[in-house]
Amino acid sequence: QSVLTQPPSASATPGQRVTISCSGSNSNVGSNYVYWYQQLPGTAPKLLIYRNDQRPSGVTDRFSASKSGTSASLAISGLRSEDEADYYCASWDDGPSGRWVFGGGTKLTVL
Amino acid sequence: EVQLVESGGGLVRPGGSLRLSCTASGFTFSSYTMNWVRQAPGKGLEWVSYISGSGNTIYSADSVKGRFTISRDNAKNSLYLQMNSLRDEDTAVYYCVREGAFYYRAFDIWGQGTLVSVSS
Repeated sequence: QSVLTQPPSASATPGQRVTISCSGSNSNVGSNYVYWYQQLPGTAPKLLIYRNDQRPSGVTDRFSASKSGTSASLAISGLRSEDEADYYCASWDDGPSGRWVFGGGTKLTVL
Repeated sequence: EVQLVESGGGLVRPGGSLRLSCTASGFTFSSYTMNWVRQAPGKGLEWVSYISGSGNTIYSADSVKGRFTISRDNAKNSLYLQMNSLRDEDTAVYYCVREGAFYYRAFDIWGQGTLVSVSS
């Protein structure tokens, strides 16, 4: 059971917009930044979003993200076949001992 | 080129030990916090352990506390994970990950991963 909650799957057709949610608590999402990672099949994860809504250089602006309270979301617009991947949210958790926590991941299918 | 290369994975019996290594290149290793993240076959990402640039601050997941030890040798640009008392559920690809400063603590550089299989 992951500390952050994501839907296990999402799907949409090319050109559409899809959103993926990430729900946490006051000790993680509610008080720390949220990060998003994309994992293409058979590869290591790649940083997609940092500091809640910032894109690293080289990441297309079709990817956007936001955070409100203890929830965050990732949006992908103008969906393309190469966006088919697993997406993970992550945040630092200020519990009894510091730790990073991940969502369970969302498998995005481009129909 | 900024790069992380893991090694040391393999097949080990339950209760056995294994030491993973990660060699960094292309950046000032001692300036960065490093982490180990694992992924069981067909499963999601699970954070394992964290070590600050100096090595003075360490955090570990409850699932590995008392069994796994993270360490680093900045003179050798290397990160390690000593894994003892291995269990079936430790079977996973283990990634060495840099916690970037420019992208405010994001996991900005990932190694290719090394597979650890625990089985009798």
